[in-house]
Amino acid sequence: EVQLVESGGGLIQPGGSLRLSCAASGFPINNNFMNWVRQAPGRGLEWISIVYSSGNTYYAASVRGRFTVSRDISTNTLYLQMDSLRAEDTAVYYCARQRGIKYDMDVWGQGATVTVSS
Amino acid sequence: QTVVTQEPSFSVSPGGTVTLTCGLSSGSVSTSYYPTWYQQTPGQAPRTLIYSTSIRSSGVPDRFSGSIVGSKAALTITGAQADDESDYYCVLSMGSGIWVFGGGTKLTVL
Repeated sequence: EVQLVESGGGLIQPGGSLRLSCAASGFPINNNFMNWVRQAPGRGLEWISIVYSSGNTYYAASVRGRFTVSRDISTNTLYLQMDSLRAEDTAVYYCARQRGIKYDMDVWGQGATVTVSS
Repeated sequence: QTVVTQEPSFSVSPGGTVTLTCGLSSGSVSTSYYPTWYQQTPGQAPRTLIYSTSIRSSGVPDRFSGSIVGSKAALTITGAQADDESDYYCVLSMGSGIWVFGGGTKLTVL
């Protein structure tokens, strides 16, 4: 079964760090584009990061320099390292598969909740 | 920074037709932006309706269609049903690996 399962969310103080994991099954993440998308409470979707099948990474301006996306091909897991967290980073974080630039994000995880608060 | 624009809300009668749009704060949307449309209900992950402007995702009813209308991407729902009441998001490829979602449209069917 093709599936994505996120983990690692939680409550963190402003300025802190957190790492989200996205375990993939049923397909190899290194043959796909893998995205991170977040949704703040009561707000819309925000694309924040992508890693291409080539390994190239790209970020939204709102997280560039603070967040880092990586992947472990041996465990078929995607990661999002989040540093210097701010209150405005509070959101549900989704990982999503994309087969290529002309395609949609067709497989989504269930979401991991990150709350940044003192 | 370019903003992707969507109508904040829209209302349609059951059986009616509605066109939601996806534009840019500066410039025109073309097929090169690979516009994609998602439907999201509360507490759920988004579901793809249309990708690459007009390709319907597997299992999506043919009452949903995508196109470019003027300077915007458009999602048309023909014969709206009660369970089409959802939030709808478009996302555009801005180049250089960057994607940007619109603010979403809350569709009411009544």
